[in-house]
Amino acid sequence: GEDVEQSLFLSVREGDSSVINCTYTDSSSTYLYWYKQEPGAGLQLLTYIFSNMDMKQDQRLTVLLNKKDKHLSLRIADTQTGDSAIYFCAERGTDKLIFGTGTRLQVFP
Amino acid sequence: GAGVSQSPSNKVTEKGKDVELRCDPISGHTALYWYRQSLGQGLEFLIYFQGNSAPDKSGLPSDRFSAERTGGSVSTLTIQRTQQEDSAVYLCASSSTGGYNEQFFGPGTRLTVL
Repeated sequence: GEDVEQSLFLSVREGDSSVINCTYTDSSSTYLYWYKQEPGAGLQLLTYIFSNMDMKQDQRLTVLLNKKDKHLSLRIADTQTGDSAIYFCAERGTDKLIFGTGTRLQVFP
Repeated sequence: GAGVSQSPSNKVTEKGKDVELRCDPISGHTALYWYRQSLGQGLEFLIYFQGNSAPDKSGLPSDRFSAERTGGSVSTLTIQRTQQEDSAVYLCASSSTGGYNEQFFGPGTRLTVL
């Protein structure tokens, strides 16, 4: 079955890099996504990667995809307090997205 | 342009009552999704509408839950005989077809069943 797993919490110091990890099970997923949810708000797409790519960089964000291990990661460089949020990875199933449990990122000064 | 809107933003109800939650998707988006987010949990898929196709109801947790989408636009999620375990944030999202299929989320409706 389809299942996406993430660690629940990550705490980093401001200015450090954050790495959020995700494992998925559907090897046929064409796209994988990272969404951000700020307190009291809905989810917002941060970035996505096509399955034939290994890496995608977008400003402070770097996405790494290891298809062999079905592992996806999001690296945030120079993490700021405004990055504190819940981060969800998601894989595209047949016709809908399957979301992970979310990782709560806490940034402390 | 306007994003996805949901109403009400908060709903408090008594156990056993019925509730209706509304979602207005982005104009022109053919796909509409409902998710449930319980405290400390991830997103639980509930139901998916795509154009005029039969909806994918595989995520609805019980027959107390139903949803409809009128005219391919506005959707209503109905929960009958609410239970305390129905308390959660209900999120709606819409997307167009093709491409990378970005889903645009509404702010959610926080449902509290007393």
